[in-house]
Amino acid sequence: DSGVTQTPKHLITATGQRVTLRCSPRSGDLSVYWYQQSLDQGLQFLIQYYNGEERAKGNILERFSAQQFPDLHSELNLSSLELGDSALYFCASSALAGDYNEQFFGPGTRLTVL
Amino acid sequence: AQSVAQPEDQVNVAEGNPLTVKCTYSVSGNPYLFWYVQYPNRGLQFLLKYITGDNLVKGSYGFEAEFNKSQTSFHLKKPSALVSDSALYFCAVRDEGGSYIPTFGRGTSLIVHP
Repeated sequence: DSGVTQTPKHLITATGQRVTLRCSPRSGDLSVYWYQQSLDQGLQFLIQYYNGEERAKGNILERFSAQQFPDLHSELNLSSLELGDSALYFCASSALAGDYNEQFFGPGTRLTVL
Repeated sequence: AQSVAQPEDQVNVAEGNPLTVKCTYSVSGNPYLFWYVQYPNRGLQFLLKYITGDNLVKGSYGFEAEFNKSQTSFHLKKPSALVSDSALYFCAVRDEGGSYIPTFGRGTSLIVHP
């Protein structure tokens, strides 16, 4: 158990809908990362937050947004969903923002868009 | 810019034999290198990292990796494979003077045959 929790585990929804994925980092970790994993794209970095502030942005679509709250949990919002958004979404946390610490990954949320 | 390559999509090895999963990288400065493992339906799990110092790094579950600066490689090794080592392995690199976010390889599927 990494100490990172993600909810829900599975999400099935229809095209055009909006969903929210939630992540709680390990106790004491200030940095949260979101990744998308699909068979064809591999593991894609989406966005990073550090202590409530956006720190780095990756291949995140404009339809997607995220935030980190004062209690350090984070939410990833996906809107106007398309079939191609079906993937595993992982949250990871680390102690600091841009150092050499390893990341601790949550179990993921499997999103299926029908 | 930083990049990482895992040249093999799949590695097959018999139980009890040594295993090697290959990783090569490209960075402008000094590399921070990581190996993660992903079991089916689970998040990525940290195995080991190289930051500085001894080129041979020992990690979890009997795995080790050798940093080779001249060959820009960081291959993962284990002297004796177990069937339970079968999983997806990811190499990641971060450039010390570059992006805060590590770049992950596409992953190598390790299959250990009984």
